[in-house]
Amino acid sequence: QKEVEQDPGPLSVPEGAIVSLNCTYSNSAFQYFMWYRQYSRKGPELLMYTYSSGNKEDGRFTAQVDKSSKYISLFIRDSQPSDSATYLCAMFPDGDTGRRALTFGSGTRLQVQP
Amino acid sequence: GAVVSQHPSRVICKSGTSVKIECRSLDFQATTMFWYRQFPKQSLMLMATSNEGSKATYEQGVEKDKFLINHASLTLSTLTVTSAHPEDSSFYICSASFRDYEQYFGPGTRLTVT
Repeated sequence: QKEVEQDPGPLSVPEGAIVSLNCTYSNSAFQYFMWYRQYSRKGPELLMYTYSSGNKEDGRFTAQVDKSSKYISLFIRDSQPSDSATYLCAMFPDGDTGRRALTFGSGTRLQVQP
Repeated sequence: GAVVSQHPSRVICKSGTSVKIECRSLDFQATTMFWYRQFPKQSLMLMATSNEGSKATYEQGVEKDKFLINHASLTLSTLTVTSAHPEDSSFYICSASFRDYEQYFGPGTRLTVT
């Protein structure tokens, strides 16, 4: 079983829809939760990060973390065709675990139809 | 936001030659840099983690003699693919961080070995 599970999609929605992207994880040491957006043939772009549980909002994007369920979400309101990309969740533990790298989900391909 | 550049963005080389890819953090000093490889429609595969002035830590299965990493300064890391073969053709992406959980990615380098 992977440490981080993410539905690969593709997820196709009409323009203006609310999009919900999700990841589940098994490592309870994860405390930092990130969402990246990757356009085709480009490097991933950090959208937002959250520490521990709770919500964080940035414009049309809202990140939500539920540590009790080991479940994180990214909501995109009023989705636009320009939001069409692959969205990767990533996680990092708190404290000194000796590992410096993020643990990524496999990514969800989102297509927003005009 | 933090900016990471990669050069070249695209390279085509003949089998048996070596190729060097540069990764620079432009507006911050990166304590750690990471090198990833990505195949089409797949997630990022971490190759190695490097800290300035010390040897890189390679992931299991990554040949350190084939993928040479040099982290000469807090703003520059290089990946050299030695004696490249067609199976080394891929999308190589670097990332840099000044806080472990907050990584910023370069735009990627597409390597094609003929």
